[in-house]
Amino acid sequence: QIQLVQSGADVKKPGASVKVSCKTSGYSFSSHGISWVRQAPGQGLEWMGWISAYNGNTNYAQNLRGRLTMTTDTSTNTAYMELRSLIFDDTAVYYCARWSHVDPFDYWGQGTLVTVSS
Amino acid sequence: QSALTQPASVSGSLGQSITISCTGTSSDADGYYYVSWYQQHPGKAPKLIIYDVSNRPSGVSSRFSGSKSVNTASLTESVNTASLTITGLQAEDEANYYCSSYTSNTTPLFGAGTKLTVL
Repeated sequence: QIQLVQSGADVKKPGASVKVSCKTSGYSFSSHGISWVRQAPGQGLEWMGWISAYNGNTNYAQNLRGRLTMTTDTSTNTAYMELRSLIFDDTAVYYCARWSHVDPFDYWGQGTLVTVSS
Repeated sequence: QSALTQPASVSGSLGQSITISCTGTSSDADGYYYVSWYQQHPGKAPKLIIYDVSNRPSGVSSRFSGSKSVNTASLTESVNTASLTITGLQAEDEANYYCSSYTSNTTPLFGAGTKLTVL
């Protein structure tokens, strides 16, 4: 069965960086892209960006460009999301989801809580 | 781009039917051909329940259905409305529901979410 398993919760200070992993299994990793979606406490879903697991192409949400980097490791079928220069408003649950453009977000990771606190 | 417009909350009694709307303009959600719906229970990841406007993934109850309509707002822009209908409401349907559409910017856009309360 298809699974996306994310790394555990993390607490960071303002200005620091966080890197979240998303290990996939059960499908051909290179045939699909991975999107990252975050959800602030009590808020809705915010798309952060996408990476092609085939060639590493990326597309980031405009409000996060410059602070966000997505990468993949095809040897371990794992996707990574790194967010730098953290601010309090980055406190959220971060989800990875399988997605490629017109396709829906059909499989999701369990979510990773990132707390930015001084 | 702003979020697609959804009602903040809807409610219905056990066994009844409800419909949640999701509205966007043609500039937000090109053609509304690729609208999907997600169910999210508190503390859980979203779950895909409808894709491509009206298709159900394997394993999703037939009580969930999707549709869309298009209204012309001007010569250059139309207002698209997708709808999620849940029939025979059950207690476990109480959750937050989000719509999403693929946009002309080749990025996805989410609705702000609708909280469904089952009375």
